[in-house]
Amino acid sequence: NAGVTQTPKFQVLKTGQSMTLQCAQDMNHEYMSWYRQDPGMGLRLIHYSVGAGITDQGEVPNGYNVSRSTTEDFPLRLLSAAPSQTSVYFCASSPWADFDQPQHFGDGTRLSIL
Amino acid sequence: AQRVTQPEKLLSVFKGAPVELKCNYSYSGSPELFWYVQYSRQRLQLLLRHISRESIKGFTADLNKGETSFHLKKPFAQEEDSAMYYCALDTGNQFYFGTGTSLTVIP
Repeated sequence: NAGVTQTPKFQVLKTGQSMTLQCAQDMNHEYMSWYRQDPGMGLRLIHYSVGAGITDQGEVPNGYNVSRSTTEDFPLRLLSAAPSQTSVYFCASSPWADFDQPQHFGDGTRLSIL
Repeated sequence: AQRVTQPEKLLSVFKGAPVELKCNYSYSGSPELFWYVQYSRQRLQLLLRHISRESIKGFTADLNKGETSFHLKKPFAQEEDSAMYYCALDTGNQFYFGTGTSLTVIP
């Protein structure tokens, strides 16, 4: 039981490049989400999903796309990277049925856009 | 609008001293509140949640609806408590995190 697995752990991109951050969980959690963590800003929700085929926007969705074709995977796509997207990205998951369930986080992906 | 406020970015206390990390929230519904902790080089993890009324690693937090607060307290701080602490509000669909408080316990 690996929990939430994020890949890669580190990535450097040039402005305008695209890439996908991968997130997978093996706990059969319905709810998955992506956050970015910036100094002085805490964690801000980018996108979330309450089940396969269902996604919605969080606080800061611009510049990011997501899809949820399976329960296990929730990739985050940057279509055209910008320096403002330099951040640490965290994926999280939790059961959806119980309202008060905590989120389980991955180790994070440190992304730098040059 | 900021839903979760943690007024202290940095907090230093001496070992053995009491510690309180402040958290205030803004939400019209019934709040579900959590404290998360991130130790150096580790992933973010749940510390405690208000609905459980539990004490984890000596930490407690009481929900005060009148003051809309969920402060985290520990009577005697330990060096291993040094970490980043985040207060979080679950509104059902979305989690809102505060900006975090970095706690340093001085030996």
